[in-house]
Amino acid sequence: GENVEQHPSTLSVQEGDSAVIKCTYSDSASNYFPWYKQELGKRPQLIIDIRSNVGEKKDQRIAVTLNKTAKHFSLHITETQPEDSAVYFCAASMNSGYSTLTFGKGTMLLVSP
Amino acid sequence: DAGITQSPRHKVTETGTPVTLRCHQTENHRYMYWYRQDPGHGLRLIHYSYGVKDTDKGEVSDGYSVSRSKTEDFLLTLESATSSQTSVYFCASQSSLGEQYFGPGTRLTVT
Repeated sequence: GENVEQHPSTLSVQEGDSAVIKCTYSDSASNYFPWYKQELGKRPQLIIDIRSNVGEKKDQRIAVTLNKTAKHFSLHITETQPEDSAVYFCAASMNSGYSTLTFGKGTMLLVSP
Repeated sequence: DAGITQSPRHKVTETGTPVTLRCHQTENHRYMYWYRQDPGHGLRLIHYSYGVKDTDKGEVSDGYSVSRSKTEDFLLTLESATSSQTSVYFCASQSSLGEQYFGPGTRLTVT
């Protein structure tokens, strides 16, 4: 089955800096890669996703890149703000029929003012 | 939040008792999922459903069963709760584009 590795497990940055979280996956058939943000005590929320037919996707201060050859994808957050502090999860799936998501173990991002 | 709710939101129960958690969605999504979240393990899939009465096991299904008698409801049952099942349980439903949306979670403590 699919295996998703996520690094780093914790990341501390100063407000205004950029943050990068990286994930690798094992199943070359995976073609859908979402990212979730989970604030303390809250539900995971989908913030951005990418499908295998594109290499990069942006939404304001966040972007995701995908390298299918190397089987890795990354989340980039620019101009970080204290409200970006949360746990971020990457995931991968085949996104066909009832294929399931496999999650990384999460990255705790702390943005200091 | 895709109109997805869970009940109860918190529950404390004793070892050996049965527990049922409910997930309800109003989006008419075909696919629904139950996850547990534990420190150091992220989100792990327990069971999922691909339609009414159609369910399958996930990564950590031992000790859990599910039922789906209506599109909008997906029930998770712990037949005989154990302390190792103390966790936060999230359900999710999946849109036609493959995006999963999570419920608010149920914090279960087994004493």
